[in-house]
Amino acid sequence: SQTIHQWPATLVQPVGSPLSLECTVEGTSNPNLYWYRQAAGRGLQLLFYSVGIGQISSEVPQNLSASRPQDRQFILSSKKLLLSDSGFYLCAWRGLQGWDEQFFGPGTRLTVL
Amino acid sequence: QKEVEQDPGPLSVPEGAIVSLNCTYSNSAFQYFMWYRQYSRKGPELLMYTYSSGNKEDGRFTAQVDKSSKYISLFIRDSQPSDSATYLCAMSKGNAGNMLTFGGGTRLMVKP
Repeated sequence: SQTIHQWPATLVQPVGSPLSLECTVEGTSNPNLYWYRQAAGRGLQLLFYSVGIGQISSEVPQNLSASRPQDRQFILSSKKLLLSDSGFYLCAWRGLQGWDEQFFGPGTRLTVL
Repeated sequence: QKEVEQDPGPLSVPEGAIVSLNCTYSNSAFQYFMWYRQYSRKGPELLMYTYSSGNKEDGRFTAQVDKSSKYISLFIRDSQPSDSATYLCAMSKGNAGNMLTFGGGTRLMVKP
């Protein structure tokens, strides 16, 4: 069966510090991978998606970036965090089989102070 | 206007009640419809997946799609306190990239 991992689970960072969030998927090959942000009490905002190694598409302009160094690894980064980067970050995957459903990881709660 | 609208709630019901959660959408290109359940501080969990108009039942959950009205519903029968969560609807157009468009979520509270 497939599983998706995210770490860390929670993170408190000062403004201006760097960020690296990691997501890995097990039990599937060549998945589509997605990074979302969910602000408190709000819906999901798609940040990045990737259809393969090294292939990243950005949905919204921001000071975040994403990378996919391996087939089942997806990394979200920032060089300098802003207060507005606080939120709940979710990684999701979609397999080549099936339809359009996406499966989410446990999330990382980021607080920028 | 958002592509997908969902009443944020909170919706509070007594245990055992029938719950109706709804989303409306504006783009007729949406073909696939999903419902996710999200417990507090957890990632969303896929509950139901439907394609085209009609009903789909899974245990206490029934998903209904009315494409002519651009309206989807999730019914929960015999609601339990463990059903207390935020319910997100999502839909896609089935084209390249397979992006999902989410509603803002409805918070449900089932009181014992």
